[in-house]
Amino acid sequence: DAGITQSPRHKVTETGTPVTLRCHQTENHRYMYWYRQDPGHGLRLIHYSYGVKDTDKGEVSDGYSVSRSKTEDFLLTLESATSSQTSVYFCAISGTGSEQYFGPGTRLTVT
Amino acid sequence: GQQVMQIPQYQHVQEGEDFTTYCNSSTTLSNIQWYKQRPGGHPVFLIQLVKSGEVKKQKRLTFQFGEAKKNSSLHITATQTTDVGTYFCAGPTSGTYKYIFGTGTRLKVLA
Repeated sequence: DAGITQSPRHKVTETGTPVTLRCHQTENHRYMYWYRQDPGHGLRLIHYSYGVKDTDKGEVSDGYSVSRSKTEDFLLTLESATSSQTSVYFCAISGTGSEQYFGPGTRLTVT
Repeated sequence: GQQVMQIPQYQHVQEGEDFTTYCNSSTTLSNIQWYKQRPGGHPVFLIQLVKSGEVKKQKRLTFQFGEAKKNSSLHITATQTTDVGTYFCAGPTSGTYKYIFGTGTRLKVLA
């Protein structure tokens, strides 16, 4: 498996609190992605990065922000968590912008 | 916007039976990828198809890209219990490295 980790792996938080999820890679890949996975919706892209400080929105970006200050780290922030953001979040990396390698996921519950 | 649909949503088969999942895009794709996600796991890249009409095989798995590059299929011959999981197709939005995933087909194999 590609060298990609996510932290935390599980988190329970309350509505209205800020939450930051971290994705860390050791592959020096250029592209990094954040997806959420919900039953019946498959994987939906939240944001992606094509280089340090270069990011773009995905199809479900509202309520989320990202930052990438180093090649190896891609942070996803929920500024004020809502119950609709309860989901499993996957980070993925890609060296070429094609095949993606996924991290183990973070299960987030917003109560 | 661009959509990628997969059918069926679920499929239960007896071990040894064949299985096929279909992927249809609303737009022409430059390439299509297939991923497998085991229960409780993360998506794992299987293959990428690029050429119109392309057929690729991986042991008992056969992948096909349609002539119009708008559809694809994954066929598994003589399923085994190790084939259990959800199979996703994914295609890039035009001119970007952002991928749209299909909703997935969940395969259950009965021994």
